[in-house]
Amino acid sequence: GNSVTQMEGPVTLSEEAFLTINCTYTATGYPSLFWYVQYPGEGLQLLLKATKADDKGSNKGFEATYRKETTSFHLEKGSVQVSDSAVYFCALSPIQGAQKLVFGQGTRLTINP
Amino acid sequence: NAGVTQTPKFQVLKTGQSMTLQCAQDMNHNSMYWYRQDPGMGLRLIYYSASEGTTDKGEVPNGYNVSRLNKREFSLRLESAAPSQTSVYFCASSEAWGPGLSYGYTFGSGTRLTVV
Repeated sequence: GNSVTQMEGPVTLSEEAFLTINCTYTATGYPSLFWYVQYPGEGLQLLLKATKADDKGSNKGFEATYRKETTSFHLEKGSVQVSDSAVYFCALSPIQGAQKLVFGQGTRLTINP
Repeated sequence: NAGVTQTPKFQVLKTGQSMTLQCAQDMNHNSMYWYRQDPGMGLRLIYYSASEGTTDKGEVPNGYNVSRLNKREFSLRLESAAPSQTSVYFCASSEAWGPGLSYGYTFGSGTRLTVV
């Protein structure tokens, strides 16, 4: 079946540190891949997406590259800010069957000043 | 602002009481979804509606019912609330339904429900 595995949190970094949140997936073919962000007390917001192998999604300084060979979609940012503190969810959209996003468990990120 | 609107934002129920969570979207999206979010459990799909007039069960439908009232509105009903239904509930919508599409979801801001 389809599944998404994220690195367990919580992750705590200092401001301006480099961020990587790992995400790997299991799915048939080439699903679309997404990163969502949830700020405290809010709903999820789409952060970035990639729809085919080797695509790079980017937004607000965050990047993720669709790697078919390693079935991964790791989220990176070169210099994090306190305002990046949130929960990050990796998700996939299957190419077969029902069009329902499959979410990872989420990774809580805290940035200290 | 365009998006997904959920009401109420907070609710406390006693065990056995019923209530309906409301959700409306103004983006002309065809598909709508209800999720619950619990600590350490991520998001779990309760029910979804691929298009107006259709609804289907997700991963955790027991204890819930839904109504797709029209294209804009998708409500979630708890007939007899239980403490295990204490959670944060999110409604979401997407443009279309079908395999291989790259549409993401637009989420509402959530309803925080406590059942005592």
